[in-house]
Amino acid sequence: AQTVTQSQPEMSVQEAETVTLSCTYDTSESDYYLFWYKQPPSRQMILVIRQEAYKQQNATENRFSVNFQKAAKSFSLKISDSQLGDAAMYFCAYRSLTNAGKSTFGDGTTLTVKP
Amino acid sequence: GAGVSQSPSNKVTEKGKDVELRCDPISGHTALYWYRQSLGQGLEFLIYFQGNSAPDKSGLPSDRFSAERTGGSVSTLTIQRTQQEDSAVYLCASSPSAVGYEQYFGPGTRLTVT
Repeated sequence: AQTVTQSQPEMSVQEAETVTLSCTYDTSESDYYLFWYKQPPSRQMILVIRQEAYKQQNATENRFSVNFQKAAKSFSLKISDSQLGDAAMYFCAYRSLTNAGKSTFGDGTTLTVKP
Repeated sequence: GAGVSQSPSNKVTEKGKDVELRCDPISGHTALYWYRQSLGQGLEFLIYFQGNSAPDKSGLPSDRFSAERTGGSVSTLTIQRTQQEDSAVYLCASSPSAVGYEQYFGPGTRLTVT
């Protein structure tokens, strides 16, 4: 069974600065998908970025980028030029291609952005 | 287009009562998922539908929980004889298919069992 670990329950960043959220996972599969979701207080889960494991290039989406280290099973999220609207809970998620019915989520990291 | 919708947004019920939670997925999405999120926690998988069938029910915590999906669209999660530990946010998500696509989430139903 896959597991996803987010070792930082809470993180804080100053507005306009950069912050990195950590995620590690455990799997015996060679191909899979990884995602970062954002959940603001409204509860609405929003996809931030996705990474296919077969791609070596790290995904980038505007101010959001990932550092995907497949051998180390690490998938960190970097938020550049942090904005007040980035404040939310962030979840890392693993999605298998063989057991595609479900995603395994980490416990989340609460990000606070200070003005 | 319209996103995933869930109703009710909030539900308060007495211990021992049955509740039904509804999910309307994005039109055309064949895959549908239910998750449970306890306060400040991550998401716990409950059940997955592909069309009207449920290939994976492994996450349902007890036989008090059941779910169905009709017409490949709307899904209902039913909790019988609710217990206080059932209090949580229940999230529904849909996906164009089970493989490779991200899941689009609804706003959730906050269930409080008193």
